[in-house]
Amino acid sequence: DQQVKQNSPSLSVQEGRISILNCDYTNSMFDYFLWYKKYPAEGPTFLISISSIKDKNEDGRFTVFLNKSAKHLSLHIVPSQPGDSAVYFCAAANDYKLSFGAGTTVTVRA
Amino acid sequence: GAGVSQSPSNKVTEKGKDVELRCDPISGHTALYWYRQSLGQGLEFLIYFQGNSAPDKSGLPSDRFSAERTGGSVSTLTIQRTQQEDSAVYLCASSLGGQSTYEQYFGPGTRLTVT
Repeated sequence: DQQVKQNSPSLSVQEGRISILNCDYTNSMFDYFLWYKKYPAEGPTFLISISSIKDKNEDGRFTVFLNKSAKHLSLHIVPSQPGDSAVYFCAAANDYKLSFGAGTTVTVRA
Repeated sequence: GAGVSQSPSNKVTEKGKDVELRCDPISGHTALYWYRQSLGQGLEFLIYFQGNSAPDKSGLPSDRFSAERTGGSVSTLTIQRTQQEDSAVYLCASSLGGQSTYEQYFGPGTRLTVT
């Protein structure tokens, strides 16, 4: 039972443009949300997070938006850079457990 | 400082054999997790250790899977009588625990292939 879904397996964006990654969840008990970034042959690395009491969190080029009523969150990367090419995982937390989406592969074109 | 390390990085085994995967968490991290990522899937929670508390084993897919954490540090995930469906990347993560539990630091994973 997939509680966290990333419906776009891949995204291609031109360098300098905005990348928008989407994530939907079903469990209303989730109270914290995270995005992780993964390069090949490496483990995921924490990117940015947001508490359920907020609707936006910004860190440099990365902004996460949370729409609790729609059970939807998104990650905006602007401007996109070649080093952003990676797999991005959305994760949602309930107590100490994280539930992950299947990931979106982002390719930034020069 | 040193991150989470896992060994081996790759393991090929024959169906029916037992395997042991090792995880060295970040020093001082009290929480340790094991996840599994099968091809095209997200990370699947397997087991969680927090300090001296009883582990949460609710994610282990069968009784062929077990894990230990000795001395609150190193952890070993054991898969007995491996099956082809066990082929996946096994990831270990650690965190400070408490309110910082959500921000987990991952190792590079062990890619297990069962032939």
